[in-house]
Amino acid sequence: DVKVTQSSRYLVKRTGEKVFLECVQDMDHENMFWYRQDPGLGLRLIYFSYDVKMKEKGDIPEGYSVSREKKERFSLILESASTNQTSMYLCASTLGWAGANVLTFGAGSRLTVL
Amino acid sequence: GDSVTQMEGPVTLSEEACLTINCTYTATGYPSLFWYVQYPGEGLQLLLKATKADDKGSNKGFEATYRKETTSFHLEKGSVQVSDSAVYFCALSEPGGSYIPTFGRGTSLIVHP
Repeated sequence: DVKVTQSSRYLVKRTGEKVFLECVQDMDHENMFWYRQDPGLGLRLIYFSYDVKMKEKGDIPEGYSVSREKKERFSLILESASTNQTSMYLCASTLGWAGANVLTFGAGSRLTVL
Repeated sequence: GDSVTQMEGPVTLSEEACLTINCTYTATGYPSLFWYVQYPGEGLQLLLKATKADDKGSNKGFEATYRKETTSFHLEKGSVQVSDSAVYFCALSEPGGSYIPTFGRGTSLIVHP
């Protein structure tokens, strides 16, 4: 079974801290995504990557950065966490670019910023 | 740009009731359409998909038909179970563009025994 693993399910951080959210996929997928999920707002795309060291901004990149040094790993970084970044973060991957490609999601990382 | 509109929830049903969750979309081309489901405490997973007009996707008793004339992809199930309680997301992915999926806001379904 294909898998996307998010290393931290629950995190509590303080305002101003640097936060790393890690995501690893074992499917040799080319594309990886970071979404943020908030009640009433659905999923919003933060960043995506279509290759190692490549990244593209999504709809809400402000306050976030990403890193993809290896094909299987895509990290989301909050340089200075703020309370409005309290949210559920979902990582996902797909094999390539085709309209019918299905996203495989991780279980999510719930971040609370105090 | 592309957009997906779902009915707002929560939808609350008794076990064995019929379910319909409405989804309509706006796209410039010929998108593929998806329903994803998110069970409590989990990430999203694909429930079903359809890639062209009049296709019917089905899985676990759920069905949705790709209706190009009404730009809709409504999710239906004839008899829901308590275990179907989850959040359901309609999504589209359009070829010729970036293929980045566009999601609806999600519809929460609560099924009571």
